[in-house]
Amino acid sequence: NAGVMQNPRHLVRRRGQEARLRCSPMKGHSHVYWYRQLPEEGLKFMVYLQKENIIDESGMPKERFSAEFPKEGPSILRIQQVVRGDSAAYFCASSPGGERQPEYFGPGTRLTVT
Amino acid sequence: GEDVEQSLFLSVREGDSSVINCTYTDSSSTYLYWYKQEPGAGLQLLTYIFSNMDMKQDQRLTVLLNKKDKHLSLRIADTQTGDSAIYFCAESRSYQLIWGAGTKLIIKP
Repeated sequence: NAGVMQNPRHLVRRRGQEARLRCSPMKGHSHVYWYRQLPEEGLKFMVYLQKENIIDESGMPKERFSAEFPKEGPSILRIQQVVRGDSAAYFCASSPGGERQPEYFGPGTRLTVT
Repeated sequence: GEDVEQSLFLSVREGDSSVINCTYTDSSSTYLYWYKQEPGAGLQLLTYIFSNMDMKQDQRLTVLLNKKDKHLSLRIADTQTGDSAIYFCAESRSYQLIWGAGTKLIIKP
């Protein structure tokens, strides 16, 4: 049973380009969460999605960031017109559902903006 | 300040016990978690405790919860070099996990 999969593991983008980060949840999990980790810091919640629905995006910057979890395929976190401050590790987690389920994390995508 | 607070570093000798402490703020949190992150790697769920429990033991790991003081600790018995990592405490709050900044565990030979 594969765990949470994320790709790419490392992504380098120039300022102004778009970054697309993908997350495939664990089998049987329909809830996906995205977190951002800045160097030397803990994780910050960004967005919580179920299939075809955004449940809570209170941690997402209002501009340039968007997330989706379509009926088929992985969840996508998209960052448009990246800036140097977007450089971070982006982690995806999945759970079967409900706030009482522990979340299992993917290996993360390390985004570097040059 | 941070909602969840941890010391940034802990140094212990190999073979000794490590105790990593965490304080949180939301008394309504239902679950509290400990995660381990090795350099350049993702997060590994170590253990979690439901808020109506005082203690949970799993092999070398013991979690203690003092709900009155909102204090959580993780004890690692017989600490080994492979335990070197950053340990994150997190509390559940609705759909979110609220994280501490992590405690870096350093093992001295």
